Amino acid sequence: AQKVTQAQTEISVVEKEDVTLDCVYETRDTTYYLFWYKQPPSGELVFLIRRNSFDEQNEISGRYSWNFQKSTSSFNFTITASQVVDSAVYFCALWNTGNQFYFGTGTSLTVIP
Amino acid sequence: GAVVSQHPSRVICKSGTSVKIECRSLDFQATTMFWYRQFPKQSLMLMATSNEGSKATYEQGVEKDKFLINHASLTLSTLTVTSAHPEDSSFYICSARDVLGVETQYFGPGTRLLVL
Repeated sequence: AQKVTQAQTEISVVEKEDVTLDCVYETRDTTYYLFWYKQPPSGELVFLIRRNSFDEQNEISGRYSWNFQKSTSSFNFTITASQVVDSAVYFCALWNTGNQFYFGTGTSLTVIP
Repeated sequence: GAVVSQHPSRVICKSGTSVKIECRSLDFQATTMFWYRQFPKQSLMLMATSNEGSKATYEQGVEKDKFLINHASLTLSTLTVTSAHPEDSSFYICSARDVLGVETQYFGPGTRLLVL
């Protein structure tokens, strides 16, 4: 069975603080892909990153960084020096070799000025 | 990058009417498209998988007679909400998988449906 768990429902941080959004997944597949999407109030999903199961290298893109740990089945997302514009709902998702995306329940991030 | 469009972006309709939502892949061919529904403060839930030229596959609990899906071409899938009711009010998002098999899906911007 495939499952994505985002245990943090809502997080509030003060601007310029760092924040980590947790994502834990379950799958029996050896080949799979993990994603993070940002969903601002407009609703459109904004693609942030895709990582395949064979690539455990951590990635940094500007203020964003991702930590992929297969040993703990986690794919955590860190925003450094958070800004008000980072306020949104963030979804972690798993895509296996079939067709279906499995989304987590999302983490609503509020960055307070 | 690949682009998926949806039309309309917002629609308000009266209870009992039918609403059609279009999903188009603009710069690639998509043999498979997906329809999701998202209620406020909830995650995206897959409703159905739409395959070009064949019947859609619906997830458990989704009424196929109520949510009609047509995937007539490699770039267009439509979702028709028939006899809409207020409980059908939701955010509907489509996604498309590239026919070349690139390992990802591209999401449309979504359609907000409000049934009065």
